[in-house]
Amino acid sequence: LAKTTQPISMDSYEGQEVNITCSHNNIATNDYITWYQQFPSQGPRFIIQGYKTKVTNEVASLFIPADRKSSTLSLPRVSLSDTAVYYCLVGDEAPNNDMRFGAGTRLTVKP
Amino acid sequence: GAVVSQHPSRVICKSGTSVKIECRSLDFQATTMFWYRQFPKQSLMLMATSNEGSKATYEQGVEKDKFLINHASLTLSTLTVTSAHPEDSSFYICSARDSYSSYEQYFGPGTRLTVT
Repeated sequence: LAKTTQPISMDSYEGQEVNITCSHNNIATNDYITWYQQFPSQGPRFIIQGYKTKVTNEVASLFIPADRKSSTLSLPRVSLSDTAVYYCLVGDEAPNNDMRFGAGTRLTVKP
Repeated sequence: GAVVSQHPSRVICKSGTSVKIECRSLDFQATTMFWYRQFPKQSLMLMATSNEGSKATYEQGVEKDKFLINHASLTLSTLTVTSAHPEDSSFYICSARDSYSSYEQYFGPGTRLTVT
């Protein structure tokens, strides 16, 4: 499985746009990129998933360059409630393909 | 959306006893479920992959005789921590892969285990 690298922590202020970049240099052709959010003492929550170019949903956008060796999660206008740890994972569709977590990025949103 | 539940949400047990944690996929079938352990301020660590009807696959360093996994149906996997010790105290999280959409993985809310 492709290993991922993210910044350990980021700070932001309410109302700002936050971009978290994840490096996955060894991503395989069949791998998807998935981002999760985790609050303390809760299971991870799915945010967004993509394969290439740009994906947008109601909470975030995911930008993936042509070489797919990195991806950027974009959170528009963050609020205090977006303070959490964000993980990017890569993996393919094989049923037994486990999802291994990297260290994640601890985002702190300040008032 | 797909929901994965865990029971209990938190449990306190005495050292030397065994504890069973259930993971259920409520509205989808899951051929494969995963068990993770998370210590404070750390990332999730994959413990084992649970496959319906077959033996679980354990990660290196995880004792299969201590962490018993059973995946008897397409909606239920259980993790039993046998002869628990204080160092087993952790947050245990399961996830399930939808059998019909295998790249979508759903996580349970976690189980806080405290061994006294």
